[in-house]
Amino acid sequence: GEDVEQSLFLSVREGDSSVINCTYTDSSSTYLYWYKQEPGAGLQLLTYIFSNMDMKQDQRLTVLLNKKDKHLSLRIADTQTGDSAIYFCAESRGSGNTPLVFGKGTRLSVIA
Amino acid sequence: DADVTQTPRNRITKTGKRIMLECSQTKGHDRMYWYRQDPGLGLRLIYYSFDVKDINKGEISDGYSVSRQAQAKFSLSLESAIPNQTALYFCATGGGLGDEQFFGPGTRLTVL
Repeated sequence: GEDVEQSLFLSVREGDSSVINCTYTDSSSTYLYWYKQEPGAGLQLLTYIFSNMDMKQDQRLTVLLNKKDKHLSLRIADTQTGDSAIYFCAESRGSGNTPLVFGKGTRLSVIA
Repeated sequence: DADVTQTPRNRITKTGKRIMLECSQTKGHDRMYWYRQDPGLGLRLIYYSFDVKDINKGEISDGYSVSRQAQAKFSLSLESAIPNQTALYFCATGGGLGDEQFFGPGTRLTVL
């Protein structure tokens, strides 16, 4: 399909790991991004991965990329209440001369 | 100071009124975007501009128009507002890796 797919909701307990999944569409996508939107705010870039990588780690965040299956995931270790937000994945298709294509966002709720 | 600013932040208007939302950026990026966000629908691209002389329709341009007054300014107009244009509107700039985008804080528009 043409859409970037994400599940809409995820609920985890504080201290557990969260895994947010995304399926993208273009096998030639160069960059894949994760954005975070906190309540009442705009989107902020959380992390990104270049298509020639299969993993990227940044403190509590781990991004995994499976190019064969066009699957991207974001793992948040030791999830905190401050991680409650909407998480969007986005792909930069082809040569990067077209706008990013965003998924619909996954709302992460962290239960204390 | 914020890199991407939007005015107004909140607006309530009536059906049939003309509304302009403004966006300014200090990042020096050529690319600018307007999105709307509705619950459960994620971000939908309205218009985008890759430089001052370039304007392109996005996924949902009907009922909207834009003006790129300068590299730093990109405004969105609703010629005759209708209630289903009630939404959160985001401006973004692009110019980083791939099409990495930087978002403004959003404008909440209510059309009665």
